Amino acid sequence: EAAVTQSPRNKVAVTGGKVTLSCNQTNNHNNMYWYRQDTGHGLRLIHYSYGAGSTEKGDIPDGYKASRPSQENFSLILELATPSQTSVYFCASGPGQGNERLFFGHGTKLSVL
Amino acid sequence: GEKVEQHESTLSVREGDSAVINCTYTDTASSYFPWYKQEAGKGLHFVIDIRSNVDRKQSQRLIVLLDKKAKRFSLHITATQPEDSAIYFCALNSGGSNYKLTFGKGTLLTVTP
Repeated sequence: EAAVTQSPRNKVAVTGGKVTLSCNQTNNHNNMYWYRQDTGHGLRLIHYSYGAGSTEKGDIPDGYKASRPSQENFSLILELATPSQTSVYFCASGPGQGNERLFFGHGTKLSVL
Repeated sequence: GEKVEQHESTLSVREGDSAVINCTYTDTASSYFPWYKQEAGKGLHFVIDIRSNVDRKQSQRLIVLLDKKAKRFSLHITATQPEDSAIYFCALNSGGSNYKLTFGKGTLLTVTP
């Protein structure tokens, strides 16, 4: 079973502050994804990556940046956090072979006050 | 982007009965339809998928049906057990991509003993 680890598990931030959410996967998957989960919206894709050095915009990228410095690590960065970014964030990885099965982390609960 | 509508937001069944969750979509180009399960406080994990070249797939107590004409797919859980209680998400590949998944809003399934 692929292992995807997110840190921190919980985060409280202030409006206007910078927040970095980290994700690490140990199964050498090419693709990694950041989703947010909100009541009434399900999961929405923020950014994704095909491999080290690559980042792509998902469906709701505004207000977020992503960084993929290595195969294992994929970060989501909120440069100027806003209360509307309060949510549960999930990282996922997949092998990159097309129509792929994703493996999810346990999530990061972010509250922006 | 591609839209997927998950029709049941909540579903309650008695242990041993069947549960059915329905999703509809708009883009006939969608070709991959996975289902994910989320238990309380955890990330999502894959349960079953179906591709557009078949109309039925079964894995133990899970059955997925795909009706391409109606642009509808459904998850059937037979002989339900209390441990089936969770949120279930339908998803599909979106935007012509093999890698981007669009998720439904989720169905909270409760199985009562």
